[in-house]
Amino acid sequence: EEQLVESGGGLVQPGGSLRLSCAASGFTFSLYDMTWVRQAPGKGLEWISYIGNSGDPLHHADSVKGRLTISRDNAKSSMYLHMNSLRVEDSAVYFCARVESGKYDAFDIWGQGTMVTVSS
Amino acid sequence: DIQMTQSPSSVSASVGDRVTITCRASQGISTWLAWYQQKPGKAPKLLIYGASSLPSGVPSRFSGSGSGTDFTFTISSLQPEDFATYYCQHTKSFPFTFGQGTKLQIK
Repeated sequence: EEQLVESGGGLVQPGGSLRLSCAASGFTFSLYDMTWVRQAPGKGLEWISYIGNSGDPLHHADSVKGRLTISRDNAKSSMYLHMNSLRVEDSAVYFCARVESGKYDAFDIWGQGTMVTVSS
Repeated sequence: DIQMTQSPSSVSASVGDRVTITCRASQGISTWLAWYQQKPGKAPKLLIYGASSLPSGVPSRFSGSGSGTDFTFTISSLQPEDFATYYCQHTKSFPFTFGQGTKLQIK
């Protein structure tokens, strides 16, 4: 079964750091571009980061540029979101997803999400 | 950046009804459009890609159409499991913006 599992969420103070992980299984991870999407409590979906299958290109939403950075380790079938200088408004459920280039780059496999709460 | 505007933001309907949601892009995106379904506490699920194509396993009561800037998503005959929030998203260029969502509620 093709699966993505996020981990690493939790409570962090404003200005703090966190690293989210996304572990893939059931498919050849190195063949796929990957992405992060977040959802603040009671709000809609917000795309935030994208990484090519070999580690580039990298794209980030303006709202997170310079503070959140996407990376991957194909040998570990894992993707990461390095979160620095966190703000209250970064509090959200963070989903990782697989990008399917054969489906107009739609996000065809999603993880269950991991919650990040930024609060003092 | 390309903005996506969905309407309505919420709709009430009954089992068996036909429901249509629209999505408008602020500039042309050809058919680089996807639709997702999200239930409370769950991850989104891909329902439509390329504006009108269904992934394997998605029921045929779901359909999509459109090209350029105007798109529609239709459920031909609502089933109890279809009550959820639906999002459109473009993948034409970065940032890959989502619409604000349409909450489909039971009448």
